[in-house]
Amino acid sequence: DADVTQTPRNRITKTGKRIMLECSQTKGHDRMYWYRQDPGLGLRLIYYSFDVKDINKGEISDGYSVSRQAQAKFSLSLESAIPNQTALYFCATSDPGTSGRYNEQFFGPGTRLTVL
Amino acid sequence: DAKTTQPTSMDCAEGRAANLPCNHSTISGNEYVYWYRQIHSQGPQYIIHGLKNNETNEMASLIITEDRKSSTLILPHATLRDTAVYYCIVRVANTGTASKLTFGTGTRLQVTL
Repeated sequence: DADVTQTPRNRITKTGKRIMLECSQTKGHDRMYWYRQDPGLGLRLIYYSFDVKDINKGEISDGYSVSRQAQAKFSLSLESAIPNQTALYFCATSDPGTSGRYNEQFFGPGTRLTVL
Repeated sequence: DAKTTQPTSMDCAEGRAANLPCNHSTISGNEYVYWYRQIHSQGPQYIIHGLKNNETNEMASLIITEDRKSSTLILPHATLRDTAVYYCIVRVANTGTASKLTFGTGTRLQVTL
């Protein structure tokens, strides 16, 4: 079974709709992240969470919100979707770990979101 | 975080070694070099990391120059399944801060028959 799962895997929605992307992990990691990827570009960080009481904005948080319902669950919401939020969204987890392994992140399979 | 520079794309024949370079001339003493790869539209996958010494694991080898201003990821016997975008990331490993990875555009490696 996958350690990091994302639902849905694909979603088409209309402008103005509210949509939630969900991420679950069985790795027992405290830290979780949401990234988006646009065609031909690298990944950009939207939000990250150290634990259930800690939520932090990434570089492109405008238009998005998150909820950390439990250690294992981290949801990303688009309150009113717009076409330029069409992208591939990835969830990731990491463990504080020690030294270099600290920046080893484990990614989910991604959610392809299309906003019409 | 130090900025990295990678070639946009590279080709490699199957069975040959793939050598992917990365320049990070502004790297600080406490910054590690990380390599990830992303196979088409899948989630990125961690490959290897290093600080000063060369490193090897079951996937690849990482060669870091003595001045640490550049590094090379080596896939010793590339296969078609190694076709992917490879990202070189430089980042501190400070547990007091978030592991906020910055993925640039990476190097698109095409392994051919």
